Amino acid sequence: ETGVTQTPRHLVMGMTNKKSLKCEQHLGHNAMYWYKQSAKKPLELMFVYNFKEQTENNSVPSRFSPECPNSSHLFLHLHTLQPEDSALYLCASSQDRGGGGRHEQFFGPGTRLTVL
Amino acid sequence: GEDVEQSLFLSVREGDSSVINCTYTDSSSTYLYWYKQEPGAGLQLLTYIFSNMDMKQDQRLTVLLNKKDKHLSLRIADTQTGDSAIYFCAERSRGGSQGNLIFGKGTKLSVKP
Repeated sequence: ETGVTQTPRHLVMGMTNKKSLKCEQHLGHNAMYWYKQSAKKPLELMFVYNFKEQTENNSVPSRFSPECPNSSHLFLHLHTLQPEDSALYLCASSQDRGGGGRHEQFFGPGTRLTVL
Repeated sequence: GEDVEQSLFLSVREGDSSVINCTYTDSSSTYLYWYKQEPGAGLQLLTYIFSNMDMKQDQRLTVLLNKKDKHLSLRIADTQTGDSAIYFCAERSRGGSQGNLIFGKGTKLSVKP
């Protein structure tokens, strides 16, 4: 596997379910990100991890819970979601977040989540 | 606050040039990026420009940066049907969201044969 992979690619869940999204990067990067992409809205940054430490939580509801066990893996645990949480959830990674470098982010293909 | 604006749609004929425009508000932006998203896929970095440059060319892609007007454009020469996708402009902020990328809503490019 190369680049950034995400599983599952599609997920349908009820409001009372608990599920997890998984992201893995094979690029040797140290920063990982979760984004939410909804129709007709800009990409919303949800969480940022740098060297396994959470450095940003953009006022995301507690029904979304991230976990970063190491620099290569990032999870998003979901519970008691609402229908408006249906969206494409994108994971990205970059070399790191410090300094003045380009810090270009490499994205996974996303998980299309539907909450019924 | 930081904001990135793009028009939502652009339609061109195959073989023509496409120009996608973007405006941003953070004058301290260091890097500006263009990403491409094909249906069912994540975002793919197309090109970037450092803020002390005013132009960058990469094969069929030309990026123009006007720092005074905070205007960025992406020109695709000889547009092909495979270029049909959503194109996102993004800036790397030095402001309140230090180091984060701020994305526009994306411009959907449709290429007609």
